[in-house]
Amino acid sequence: GQNIDQPTEMTATEGAIVQINCTYQTSGFNGLFWYQQHAGEAPTFLSYNVLDGLEEKGRFSSFLSRSKGYSYLLLKELQMKDSASYLCAVSRITGGGNKLTFGTGTQLKVEL
Amino acid sequence: GAVVSQHPSWVICKSGTSVKIECRSLDFQATTMFWYRQFPKQSLMLMATSNEGSKATYEQGVEKDKFLINHASLTLSTLTVTSAHPEDSSFYICSARFQNIQYFGAGTRLSVL
Repeated sequence: GQNIDQPTEMTATEGAIVQINCTYQTSGFNGLFWYQQHAGEAPTFLSYNVLDGLEEKGRFSSFLSRSKGYSYLLLKELQMKDSASYLCAVSRITGGGNKLTFGTGTQLKVEL
Repeated sequence: GAVVSQHPSWVICKSGTSVKIECRSLDFQATTMFWYRQFPKQSLMLMATSNEGSKATYEQGVEKDKFLINHASLTLSTLTVTSAHPEDSSFYICSARFQNIQYFGAGTRLSVL
């Protein structure tokens, strides 16, 4: 089976940096995704890691360590609009093709 | 990024009726699409994988006769919730993969009275 863990909620201050961690256990690992989801909306793609290391994209960075089953999403220069749920999702290869499984999401609240 | 369009965005129906949700890949072809369901304050749960020209693959616990999936072309998959009941009320989201990235439609909020 699979197990994806991330904190339920976090609070940070506007302009600060926040790191959202995600640990996972899975077979057939084929990449890790981070999505942002505002309430009542569909997830929006943020980042994708398939190899170890850091991927940087503007204010967002994502890190992956496959040996440790660990990833984090780093958000810099936080803005109020960054208040949302951040979903860690693991892609794995199955008999039926690639499947994406989501963690429960981390609700981030950005305060003044 | 690629665009996935989902329609309708919300629907209210009476118990016992059927509801069809459409998912289209607008600027790419998708041989495989995915259907998820999300309950309030919970994460997305994969319901089924839709395969163009063949039968859908359903996840354990998802009734295939209840949730009919048709993937008749490379850009369109439909999910029909048959004989809907109040417990089927949820947020349904479709997704398609393009260049290794899975993109999502805007979702359909279904309310069954």
